Parts: sequence; C-alpha cells; structure tokens
Amino acid sequence: QKEVEQNSGPLSVPEGAIASLNCTYSDRGSQSFFWYRQYSGKSPELIMSIYSNGDKEDGRFTAQLNKASQYVSLLIRDSQPSDSATYLCAVNPHNTDKLIFGTGTRLQVFP
Amino acid sequence: DAGITQSPRHKVTETGTPVTLRCHQTENHRYMYWYRQDPGHGLRLIHYSYGVKDTDKGEVSDGYSVSRSKTEDFLLTLESATSSQTSVYFCAIRNINTEAFFGQGTRLTVV
Repeated sequence: QKEVEQNSGPLSVPEGAIASLNCTYSDRGSQSFFWYRQYSGKSPELIMSIYSNGDKEDGRFTAQLNKASQYVSLLIRDSQPSDSATYLCAVNPHNTDKLIFGTGTRLQVFP
Repeated sequence: DAGITQSPRHKVTETGTPVTLRCHQTENHRYMYWYRQDPGHGLRLIHYSYGVKDTDKGEVSDGYSVSRSKTEDFLLTLESATSSQTSVYFCAIRNINTEAFFGQGTRLTVV
C-alpha cells in the first residue's frame, strides 16, 4: 500500500462546477496535510495546509480532513480553465520529518 | 517567493559521470528535501536533511548521496549517472510544522 494515494485522473469538469479531489493516506498518526498545484513544466506551489479534522476554506478552495477515515480532500468551487493543472496531496507521517506526496490528480476544466 | 534556488536548471551528462545538483536557501529553514519527478510517479523523495550534517534516506535513495555542510546548502550527488536517473529534480525547504516550498527544478538528462 502506498503511503499517499490519489486517483491520477484526468478529472474533467465544466467551467463553474465544483471539482472534488481526494487523497488517502496510510499512516494513521499523520498530523500535517498539504495540497499543491503544479502546472505543466513548473514547480509545485502550495494551495492549502490543514492540520485538524474538519473543513478549512480559502477563497474558492476548501480542504477537508477526516483522520478517522484517513482521507483529505480538496474542493474547488466555481472552477476556471486556469485551474487546469495537476493537484498533489502531501502528508507528513507521524514521527518523521519526511514529506510524502501522492502521484497527483490531473484536473481539466473545460469552457 | 521563498528564497530557494536550484542549480543548474538544465544539465545533460554522460552515463557513468558524477553529477552534483545544488539547492540553496536564504530562509534559514531547518528541513531540506530532494525529490525526483517522473511521469506516472509523482514526486518521490530521494533524501532529506533535518539539520546541518543530518540527513536520511527517502524512498528512492539508491544511486544518490547528499551532503549538508551549511544550513543554506543541500547538495545531491549522482556518483555514476545512469539513464534511469534522467528526471526532473526538485528541492524543497520547510520549517517545523509548516509548509514546504519548492525550487524551480533541475532537468537532468543522462545520455
């Protein structure tokens, strides 16, 4: 079992819709969770971090964390074509300094 | 942008030659990471550092070594480059319980 798993996609949504991206992790003791966006040929850039159960909102983005079920999700409201990118989930497992990434989900927002 | 610089940005080298990639930060962050990114594999952790002269292996460390003699510099060395090490390499920096920020990446081609 991989430490961090994501569906590779592509996930295709129409402009204006809600895009839902999911990530599961294997280490139940993990404490820190991050979502990054990566455009083709560019480096990953941080969208959101989340550390406690529940929802965290920042503009059009909402991160959701459920530690009991070991998943973290990212919702993008009012999706725009400029949101088309690969979204990477990252987890800091318990008692390590490592930062482990999933393989990423490619999102396509069509007009 | 976080003060993190990778060099070189592009390199072509021959099989069997040694190669060193440099990551330099001006943020005084404790942790530094080296990842490689290949299609279908996402970001895979090679090595990371949790302080000067303190390093540990990641999930794909075979064929790579690292050194951190100063807080600001983290070097990744391929002792004898192979074609399977052709990849895009990213450095990231992070402080305790915070997000990671990435460098621009180094595209390495081993011919």
